[in-house]
Amino acid sequence: AQSVTQPDIHITVSEGASLELRCNYSYGATPYLFWYVQSPGQGLQLLLKYFSGDTLVQGIKGFEAEFKRSQSSFNLRKPSVHWSDAAEYFCAVEGSNDYKLSFGAGTTVTVRA
Amino acid sequence: NAGVTQTPKFQVLKTGQSMTLQCAQDMNHNSMYWYRQDPGMGLRLIYYSASEGTTDKGEVPNGYNVSRLNKREFSLRLESAAPSQTSVYFCASSDNIPPYEQYFGPGTRLTVT
Repeated sequence: AQSVTQPDIHITVSEGASLELRCNYSYGATPYLFWYVQSPGQGLQLLLKYFSGDTLVQGIKGFEAEFKRSQSSFNLRKPSVHWSDAAEYFCAVEGSNDYKLSFGAGTTVTVRA
Repeated sequence: NAGVTQTPKFQVLKTGQSMTLQCAQDMNHNSMYWYRQDPGMGLRLIYYSASEGTTDKGEVPNGYNVSRLNKREFSLRLESAAPSQTSVYFCASSDNIPPYEQYFGPGTRLTVT
């Protein structure tokens, strides 16, 4: 079964600074990988996904993520953070023959002025 | 296009009471899911339904039952609520074409006293 680790529980970043959120997965084959964002009191919104092809994927809100098979990682990045990016971010992995998503525990991002 | 809708948004139950959480999607998706979200644990799958007429247990099914009423609707029932079921519950849906991108509802915040 697949699993996901997000090593950082909480990250604080200044507005305008860059952001990188780490995600490591465990799965025997090439998985489908997702990043979701959850604003306070809201549901989950898909930021981006990877399932094949170019290992650098672009998403909404200026986010991008890079799939590195050798490191079993799918880290999320944004070059310049806005105050509205304060939220909780979840990495998720899905097996290629499996409908089920496995989520990491999440990383809470705080943006300071 | 409403996407995935859930009712109610909030609910308070006493220990031992029962209730049903409702979920509906209008995207003609085959698969539907119920998750619970607890602090520091990400989202955990309770039950899922890969198609109308089928349901399967996820990671944390104990204390819950589900019904896939038709292609649009997937309900989650708590027969005898316990304080350990205090959580935020999310419904999601996806089609059956890889990479099975899941769309989430806004959630139901349930408190069991």
